[in-house]
Amino acid sequence: EVQLVESGGGLVQPGGSLRLSCAASGFTFSSYWMSWVRQAPGKGLEWVANIKQDGSEKYYVDSVKGRFTISRDNAKNSLYLQMNSLRAEDTAVYYCARDLGYYDSSGYLAYMDVWGKGTTVTVSS
Amino acid sequence: EIVLTQSPATLSLSPGERATLSCGASQSVSSSYLAWYQQKPGLAPRLLIYDASSRATGIPDRFSGSGSGTDFTLTISRLEPEDFAVYYCQQYGSSPRTFGQGTKVEIK
Repeated sequence: EVQLVESGGGLVQPGGSLRLSCAASGFTFSSYWMSWVRQAPGKGLEWVANIKQDGSEKYYVDSVKGRFTISRDNAKNSLYLQMNSLRAEDTAVYYCARDLGYYDSSGYLAYMDVWGKGTTVTVSS
Repeated sequence: EIVLTQSPATLSLSPGERATLSCGASQSVSSSYLAWYQQKPGLAPRLLIYDASSRATGIPDRFSGSGSGTDFTLTISRLEPEDFAVYYCQQYGSSPRTFGQGTKVEIK
């Protein structure tokens, strides 16, 4: 069974850091681009970042550039999101998702065919 | 960035009825790179449609997608009880990929 399982969420103070993890199983993790997508409470979905199969290319939404870092460890079938300088507006459920798409001049554009159940990040004092 | 506007915000229908959900884009979506997702409370989104009209694996044929350019539609031919949920469109024709704000399909 294809599965993604996130972990690492929690309560953190503004300005703090948190590292999210996503464990993949049931498919060849190293063959896919992967993304993080978030959903603020009661709101819609927002794509956050994605990473190429070998980790050599990474793309971010403008609102997290310079604060968040996406990475992966193909030997461990794991995806990560290091979140620094957290703000109240980063409060959300964070989903790990598998990308399917194509390259263009601005990066890898994709829809997401497999999603994890999400992990909740709350930024509050 | 491309802004997607979904309408209506809420659709109140009865089981067995037809649902028509719209997704309008602020600019033309390249190559009809548009997807639809279903999300139930407390659960992750589930891919329904990609490339505007292709059904994802395991999705019943009562779900269909159409459209091109700036106007896209998700149709549920006959609503089943499990179809009452929130539906999101997402474009991946230009960076960054963006989502609509969602349409809630509720039981009338």
